[in-house]
Amino acid sequence: ILNVEQSPQSLHVQEGDSTNFTCSFPSSNFYALHWYRWETAKSPEALFVMTLNGDEKKKGRISATLNTKEGYSYLYIKGSQPEDSATYLCAFTPGANNLFFGTGTRLTVIP
Amino acid sequence: NAGVTQTPKFQVLKTGQSMTLQCAQDMNHNSMYWYRQDPGMGLRLIYYSASEGTTDKGEVPNGYNVSRLNKREFSLRLESAAPSQTSVYFCASRERGRYEQYFGPGTRLTVT
Repeated sequence: ILNVEQSPQSLHVQEGDSTNFTCSFPSSNFYALHWYRWETAKSPEALFVMTLNGDEKKKGRISATLNTKEGYSYLYIKGSQPEDSATYLCAFTPGANNLFFGTGTRLTVIP
Repeated sequence: NAGVTQTPKFQVLKTGQSMTLQCAQDMNHNSMYWYRQDPGMGLRLIYYSASEGTTDKGEVPNGYNVSRLNKREFSLRLESAAPSQTSVYFCASRERGRYEQYFGPGTRLTVT
């Protein structure tokens, strides 16, 4: 069992604020780090998968960075909108198939 | 293109009853997965099938069996349900050579 920790557990921000969350994972046996977005009553959807130390990914106002040597990844949301409200999950994998998920950061964007 | 589908959406079982959760994907993905989601915990892998004809245990396999019926379908069976198996179950699939997984809508199972 591998420990993947996400912080904060929940977060309320005003519309237009920028925010970021942290995912900590084991720094050994790294294969990939996933970020998923999970809206209430829907299924988790993949945002990014990063495999190399120093990787940065961006999709619109959302971006992520990866540090495999120290075992952390940051997810950033610039100019939060109400539709960004969701739970953001990260998952560490030491191989192609075994994903170990964190408990998520629940983001609420207040209009 | 439906993606990943799961049946049923909801189920209530009594302790000791058996049932099979069905999952199908129409994306021609090689790998399929079963997870459970419990309050306060991350998604945990129960079993996976890296390719048609193979299955492997994940983090929490006890009390479950799986069948990879063909490339499209991957079922999860509870032979003798226990209250500890009350959970939301998600199926997922992955295309060979890619990393991201595609999730189904989930099955909410309650064992009384």
